[in-house]
Amino acid sequence: NAGVTQTPKFQVLKTGQSMTLQCAQDMNHNSMYWYRQDPGMGLRLIYYSASEGTTDKGEVPNGYNVSRLNKREFSLRLESAAPSQTSVYFCASRARGQETQYFGPGTRLLVL
Amino acid sequence: QQPVQSPQAVILREGEDAVINCSSSKALYSVHWYRQKHGEAPVFLMILLKGGEQKGHEKISASFNEKKQQSSLYLTASQLSYSGTYFCGTAGSSNTGKLIFGQGTTLQVKP
Repeated sequence: NAGVTQTPKFQVLKTGQSMTLQCAQDMNHNSMYWYRQDPGMGLRLIYYSASEGTTDKGEVPNGYNVSRLNKREFSLRLESAAPSQTSVYFCASRARGQETQYFGPGTRLLVL
Repeated sequence: QQPVQSPQAVILREGEDAVINCSSSKALYSVHWYRQKHGEAPVFLMILLKGGEQKGHEKISASFNEKKQQSSLYLTASQLSYSGTYFCGTAGSSNTGKLIFGQGTTLQVKP
């Protein structure tokens, strides 16, 4: 039981490049979330998926797209990376009827 | 609206107590508390639900004043392992699990 896993752990991009951050959970959770965390700030919700087949915007969705591939996997795509997207990205999941969110280890992204 | 946490930082000696506050301008369904150590993911500590239910850590307690939209986290007899950044996350409803997090309170416990 690995919990929530994220790949890659670290990535360096040049401005304008695209990439996809992967997230998977093996806890049979229904809801999944993508957050970003900038220095000195709390976590900000980018997108979430309340259940398989649905996605919705969070606080800071601009510049990102998501795909809920199946119940286990929720990916975050940067189509044209910008330096302002340099951040640590966390994926989280939550079981139906439960309140607790479980976080993955994070992906550190540097956009030059 | 992001909840406001206070203080921003606190330094303690082992065995001392601390209180971290979280205040929101919106009506709340629940308040979640997480601790994050440097370079690691946030770890769940405590959840307080509207109506008074609490679930969480054995050695950490918290309160939730629904009318004032405020929550406080109480760390008693602090240990070195309590060091880290504490975040409160607030939810207006339980349907989606959407949390809005405060900016964090950094706690350092010294021997």
